[in-house]
Amino acid sequence: QKEVEQDPGPLSVPEGAIVSLNCTYSNSAFQYFMWYRQYSRKGPELLMYTYSSGNKEDGRFTAQVDKSSKYISLFIRDSQPSDSATYLCAMIGTSGSRLTFGEGTQLTVNP
Amino acid sequence: ETGVTQTPRHLVMGMTNKKSLKCEQHLGHNAMYWYKQSAKKPLELMFVYSLEERVENNSVPSRFSPECPNSSHLFLHLHTLQPEDSALYLCASSPMGGGGEQYFGPGTRLTVT
Repeated sequence: QKEVEQDPGPLSVPEGAIVSLNCTYSNSAFQYFMWYRQYSRKGPELLMYTYSSGNKEDGRFTAQVDKSSKYISLFIRDSQPSDSATYLCAMIGTSGSRLTFGEGTQLTVNP
Repeated sequence: ETGVTQTPRHLVMGMTNKKSLKCEQHLGHNAMYWYKQSAKKPLELMFVYSLEERVENNSVPSRFSPECPNSSHLFLHLHTLQPEDSALYLCASSPMGGGGEQYFGPGTRLTVT
């Protein structure tokens, strides 16, 4: 069983739609949760960083963590064509420096 | 230059060649990483350096040899690679203690023929 499960998509939505991206995980030691965005021919860039359960909002993006269900989500409101990218969830425990990534979800927002 | 840079951006090499990938970070970070990214697979951590000392080697074959001469530079030396080693190789850096907050370079697209 993979430590982190993420639906690879591809996901295609019209401009203005609300997008929901999700990951589940099995390791209860994970404490910090991240979403990275990767545009084509670029490296991943950190988009959201959350600790423990709850919501964190940054502009059109909301990251949600439910540790009891081992489930994290990224919501994108009013999606734009510029949001078209691969979104990678990642998580890490309190000890060590090893990030564990999901497979990534490829998102296309159509104008 | 800002952020994390990688050279070359593209590399084609035969199985008997020797080549090196270079990474440089301009962020003042103390930890550096090499990752392998293949299609339909999660990012695979290969090596971690903290304060120029290797702290993790994630069961990577010896045909990949990392080198970290200082906290700003990281190399990945390649020799006698296999076609299945073809992938995007990403370098990242992070501040000390900030393992989740990693900054990635654009990657080197490697093709082994």
